[in-house]
Amino acid sequence: QSPLTQPASVSGSPGQSITISCTGTSTDVGGFNYVSWYQHHPGKAPQLLIYDVIKRPSGVSHRFSGSKSGNTASLSISGLQPDDEAMYYCTSYTSRTTVVFGGGTSVTVL
Amino acid sequence: QVQLVQSGAQVKKPGASVRVYCKASGYTFTNFYMHWVRQAPGQGFEWMGIVTPINNGTSYAQKFEDRVTVRADTSTNTVYMELNSLRSEDTAIYYCARDREPTSVSCPDFWGQGTLVTVSS
Repeated sequence: QSPLTQPASVSGSPGQSITISCTGTSTDVGGFNYVSWYQHHPGKAPQLLIYDVIKRPSGVSHRFSGSKSGNTASLSISGLQPDDEAMYYCTSYTSRTTVVFGGGTSVTVL
Repeated sequence: QVQLVQSGAQVKKPGASVRVYCKASGYTFTNFYMHWVRQAPGQGFEWMGIVTPINNGTSYAQKFEDRVTVRADTSTNTVYMELNSLRSEDTAIYYCARDREPTSVSCPDFWGQGTLVTVSS
């Protein structure tokens, strides 16, 4: 199972919106609505931002939203803030009843 | 509140095995799957496997399936992950993480503090 493909880095200015893509195949992202997204600051536990493609856990800002088209899922962050600077990872359930992570995307707030 | 407390850091020689423990509290242990995920230095997260404590059913990533064992002990609310035939590339922080959804696989949600395993001769 190859990792899901994410861009290595994305950047934006405060207040702007950015989108991070997560590309898989029909046996993972495209085949199931079980894509999740995590924010990870070094030294802390990953925080779940989005699950089941579009759902937000309670307490997660509405600035984070998820979507999917075909084999590619996306995480959008609106109103970019300095604290959004972190690593972001997608995951997907797969047809082998396993889970696969994306390679991670570093978000920089300019 | 949900708590996952993992065992301490270990140093192992190449070829050896390592067992990492994860003690759960604050929820009904048998209702939730437990994932194991690792992060090597400077690398991203890598999913290793999952166990359902109610019957010890498991599923492993293809990369690890011949070297890893995950088991749950319902008498102590503890899950362990054992990785065999260690090599230097297995040096990483290993995490247990409880699934978000009861009785099904959704995604890791609550994470342990991580256990550093160093493989060095």
